[in-house]
Amino acid sequence: QSVLTQPPSVSGAPGQRVTISCTGSSSNIGANYDIHWYQHLPGTPPKLLIYGNNNRPSGVPDRFSGSKSGTSASLAITGLQAEDEADYYCQSYDSSLSAHWVFGGGTKLTVL
Amino acid sequence: QVQLAEFGGDVVQSGRSLRLSCVASGFTFSAYAMHWVRQAPGKGLEWVAVISYDGNNKYYADSVKGRFTISRDNSKNTLYLQMNSLRAEDTAVYFCARGREMATPYFDYWGQGTLVTVSS
Repeated sequence: QSVLTQPPSVSGAPGQRVTISCTGSSSNIGANYDIHWYQHLPGTPPKLLIYGNNNRPSGVPDRFSGSKSGTSASLAITGLQAEDEADYYCQSYDSSLSAHWVFGGGTKLTVL
Repeated sequence: QVQLAEFGGDVVQSGRSLRLSCVASGFTFSAYAMHWVRQAPGKGLEWVAVISYDGNNKYYADSVKGRFTISRDNSKNTLYLQMNSLRAEDTAVYFCARGREMATPYFDYWGQGTLVTVSS
């Protein structure tokens, strides 16, 4: 069971907007640690998508955005494209664990 | 450009050892913390270990503590993971990743991964 909780799957049609939630606790997101998001297509390296809650690395389209509030965070993808079909992981830091770097269980995005 | 390439994955019997390598290029390797992260078949990402930029500090997930050792050779731009007493549950793709030591640390570049299969 992952420290951060994500829905196993979400789906949307091309052009639509989808959101992926990431719920933590008072020892990670609620302790004012940031959330980072990664996109992972099987057989390829995970790719940093969002860092520091809502910052996009160079080259990441502005269709991807992040937000954080309380003990939860969200990744929003607008104007869905077929190439967005992938697994998405949130990641943060947990002060209560020896394994400080924690991930969500991952969300499979299907573009219908 | 930043590149990370893992080597050493193999099929090994339970209880045996294996050493993974990760060769870095395109950045000043000695300036960055480095991590190992793994993904078991059909599962999500799991952080395994981290080593500081100078090799002086190392931390491990409880699941591998006492069995795995992370190390680095900055003269060779190479990160290592020595895995001893391997178990079936260590079967996974192992990724090396560059760490960004911000207020909340994260991983900005990842390798392609190398598959470790532990057979019983």
